[in-house]
Amino acid sequence: GAVVSQHPSWVICKSGTSVKIECRSLDFQATTMFWYRQFPKQSLMLMATSNEGSKATYEQGVEKDKFLINHASLTLSTLTVTSAHPEDSSFYICSARDLKGANTEAFFGQGTRLTVV
Amino acid sequence: GQSLEQPSEVTAVEGAIVQINCTYQTSGFYGLSWYQQHDGGAPTFLSYNALDGLEETGRFSSFLSRSDSYGYLLLQELQMKDSASYFCAVNRDYKLSFGAGTTVTVRA
Repeated sequence: GAVVSQHPSWVICKSGTSVKIECRSLDFQATTMFWYRQFPKQSLMLMATSNEGSKATYEQGVEKDKFLINHASLTLSTLTVTSAHPEDSSFYICSARDLKGANTEAFFGQGTRLTVV
Repeated sequence: GQSLEQPSEVTAVEGAIVQINCTYQTSGFYGLSWYQQHDGGAPTFLSYNALDGLEETGRFSSFLSRSDSYGYLLLQELQMKDSASYFCAVNRDYKLSFGAGTTVTVRA
């Protein structure tokens, strides 16, 4: 299957700082990528849909000014957690789908475990 | 909005068969997917049903009844490595909405 690479796999940062997470599709062009957040033992909650060359679409309740998403190319989307606080500590996962074909499988990155201290 | 319900935990012994049910309520339904996630890892795709019926992939099978808004994942010949969380997810156009997940624990 297709490969989605997410970096970093884990990060510890101080409160008030910003953290950038990268998501790359390595062997296909992803016009659309998705960012999820997952708390321990809970489900994946969709935060936003990232569209190449246009603004991201955020789910209800997700602060767009706090979670900045940029999808500058067909293979790269970034999520920046701005002014991070301890409650932002979570597992962030990106996924990409090749929407041009009939393939309905979503490919996930390895996830980024963010700890804000 | 949408909602999905699946059991929170299932425990079974090696070699057994486990069925994880998923009921859903949503608009714009395209299909039902199943994903496996080991602790600390990324979800991996297991199966997808767009039409009613059974899809079989090795030891794993998935079933969908659109009229009943119901599906299930069947895990056969359970192995220790199958201990993980299993999520059903509704495909709404291009988005996936996940259930809360079922933790499957396989005992020797």
